[in-house]
Amino acid sequence: KAGVTQTPRYLIKTRGQQVTLSCSPISGHRSVSWYQQTPGQGLQFLFEYFSETQRNKGNFPGRFSGRQFSNSRSEMNVSTLELGDSALYLCASIGAGAQETQYFGPGTRLLVL
Amino acid sequence: SQKIEQNSEALNIQEGKTATLTCNYTNYSPAYLQWYRQDPGRGPVFLLLIRENEKEKRKERLKVTFDTTLKQSLFHITASQPADSATYLCALEKGGSYIPTFGRGTSLIVHP
Repeated sequence: KAGVTQTPRYLIKTRGQQVTLSCSPISGHRSVSWYQQTPGQGLQFLFEYFSETQRNKGNFPGRFSGRQFSNSRSEMNVSTLELGDSALYLCASIGAGAQETQYFGPGTRLLVL
Repeated sequence: SQKIEQNSEALNIQEGKTATLTCNYTNYSPAYLQWYRQDPGRGPVFLLLIRENEKEKRKERLKVTFDTTLKQSLFHITASQPADSATYLCALEKGGSYIPTFGRGTSLIVHP
C-alpha cells in the first residue's frame, strides 16, 4: 500500500500571498488530519476531515482552512501568509481498523519571506 | 492548562546501552498514549500505543510503561544502535476524538 503523499514538498512564498497544500491519504483511509510543526511550538493540530466534513478543529486563525474531496484527498489553504507561518505542514491519515494510529506524510516545508 | 513535557535536552548514549525517554503530563486524563519517531525533514512514524489500563507494552527492542498515578510514560530502547538516533515524540489522546496532543519530542543520539 502506498503511504501518505503530500505535495509540494517545498514551497517559498512571500508575506501576503496565499498557498494551497495537498495530501493524499493511504488508500481506504477516510480521515485526514493536518498539523503545523515549528521548532518553537512543536506539532500543533490544525483540523481533521472525515468523509468531506470537518470533524475537529484546532486553535488556529481563520486564515487556515481546509477541505476534503470525495476520494478522501485533502487540501489546506493559508491566506494572507505571515512570516510566522513558516513551518513543516504535515498531514496524517487514520484507518478504520486502528483509529488511534496516525500515518503521517513526509510534510510540506513552507518558507514565508 | 493541559501540558505534555518531554526533555528538551538531547539524550546522548553509547551504542548497546538502554535509552530511556520520559513523557510527563499534567491536567490530562488520557485514554491512551503513543510514541512516535521522527527523523529530520520527515513525518513522525508510529511506534507503540499503550492504553490507560495497561502498565507496560513491548515491541522488539522497545518498551513503554504508563503510570497514570505519576502521570508519566517511560520509553525504553534496549541494545540501542546509531540507527535509533532520531527525535521521539509522545502523544496523548483523551478518548473519542482520535486527535492526539503531541509533546515537543526528545532527541536521542546513539554514539557508535
